[in-house]
Amino acid sequence: AQRVTQPEKLLSVFKGAPVELKCNYSYSGSPELFWYVQYSRQRLQLLLRHISRESIKGFTADLNKGETSFHLKKPFAQEEDSAMYYCALREFNAGGTSYGKLTFGQGTILTVHP
Amino acid sequence: KAGVTQTPRYLIKTRGQQVTLSCSPISGHRSVSWYQQTPGQGLQFLFEYFSETQRNKGNFPGRFSGRQFSNSRSEMNVSTLELGDSALYLCASSLAAGKLFFGSGTQLSVL
Repeated sequence: AQRVTQPEKLLSVFKGAPVELKCNYSYSGSPELFWYVQYSRQRLQLLLRHISRESIKGFTADLNKGETSFHLKKPFAQEEDSAMYYCALREFNAGGTSYGKLTFGQGTILTVHP
Repeated sequence: KAGVTQTPRYLIKTRGQQVTLSCSPISGHRSVSWYQQTPGQGLQFLFEYFSETQRNKGNFPGRFSGRQFSNSRSEMNVSTLELGDSALYLCASSLAAGKLFFGSGTQLSVL
């Protein structure tokens, strides 16, 4: 069965410092990886997907199949980045029959201090 | 466009009762998924519906069930409630694989 591990429950950095939120996964097939974020008093929302290879709000994440990791990085953290971050995995299904079945990690609370 | 709407926002029930939660997806989204969120287990997938058909089911007992209507609105039902069912139940709709739009959730407390 697939599993997503976020080893840090809490992560604190100062404004302007680099930040890296770790995510490791175990899955025998070809996964799709996502980062979701929940800001205070807001809904859980998609931050980025590995297949898009995009940078959102200065965050990037690279899928490393050799290390089975999908770490989220930002070179200069901002106070507004403080939030709960979830890494999630979707089993790749060639038939595309599943849109909404994701396996989530336990989440990392990021606090950026001024 | 209106976001995903879940009702009610809060529910208090007693053990043995049953409960029905409702979810209205974003207009045009045919996939609706349900998740249970607890401090101990985190976010766990319950089931997914697409065009009124259940596509996937998580590892939950048969007391948890759901359905989807022709307008894509979805309901989930929990029968014979147990204390351990206390959780935030999140609904999400999607138009693309893995790209979920979540509702604010229904906080269920079982006494």
